[in-house]
Amino acid sequence: DQQVKQNSPSLSVQEGRISILNCDYTNSMFDYFLWYKKYPAEGPTFLISISSIKDKNEDGRFTVFLNKSAKHLSLHIVPSQPGDSAVYFCAARPPQGGSEKLVFGKGTKLTVNP
Amino acid sequence: SQTIHQWPATLVQPVGSPLSLECTVEGTSNPNLYWYRQAAGRGLQLLFYSVGIGQISSEVPQNLSASRPQDRQFILSSKKLLLSDSGFYLCAWTRGSSEQYFGPGTRLTVT
Repeated sequence: DQQVKQNSPSLSVQEGRISILNCDYTNSMFDYFLWYKKYPAEGPTFLISISSIKDKNEDGRFTVFLNKSAKHLSLHIVPSQPGDSAVYFCAARPPQGGSEKLVFGKGTKLTVNP
Repeated sequence: SQTIHQWPATLVQPVGSPLSLECTVEGTSNPNLYWYRQAAGRGLQLLFYSVGIGQISSEVPQNLSASRPQDRQFILSSKKLLLSDSGFYLCAWTRGSSEQYFGPGTRLTVT
């Protein structure tokens, strides 16, 4: 049972335009969400996060939106740059103490064309 | 600042051979530690996590095991590798936050 879903395995956008990566989840008890960026043959790097008590968090070119009623979050990258080309993972935290386990989606490969 | 190391970076092992991957974290104490695997075309699968020395929780049944002999050392092992163990293995840590920080990974190919 996949609790965090990234239904688009790939996305291609032009440099300078907006990239929108989507993520859906099934467990309404998730209370914290994160986005990671991963280049080939490297470990994922943390990008941005959002608590379930918020609906938006912005950091430079990156903004994450959370729609709790729809159990949906999205990552917006504006403007997109070729260096943003990577696989993006959405992750969610179940409300349990101590372990801080995260549930990851399968990732979306973003390609930003010059 | 904190740093996480993994080695080796790449490994090619025959089926049935043993495995030992090591992960160490510097610059923090009592971190939570995690082993993930990313198989070809798939997401990140949590294999093991540890909240302290000697405390290991397994997420999926498999022929892999993990140990935490020291506070900042996490080891992934197998007595006999299977072809299906091929993948990209990632170690991660966190302490006091949900942002997990990942190591550079180990590419394991079982032949």
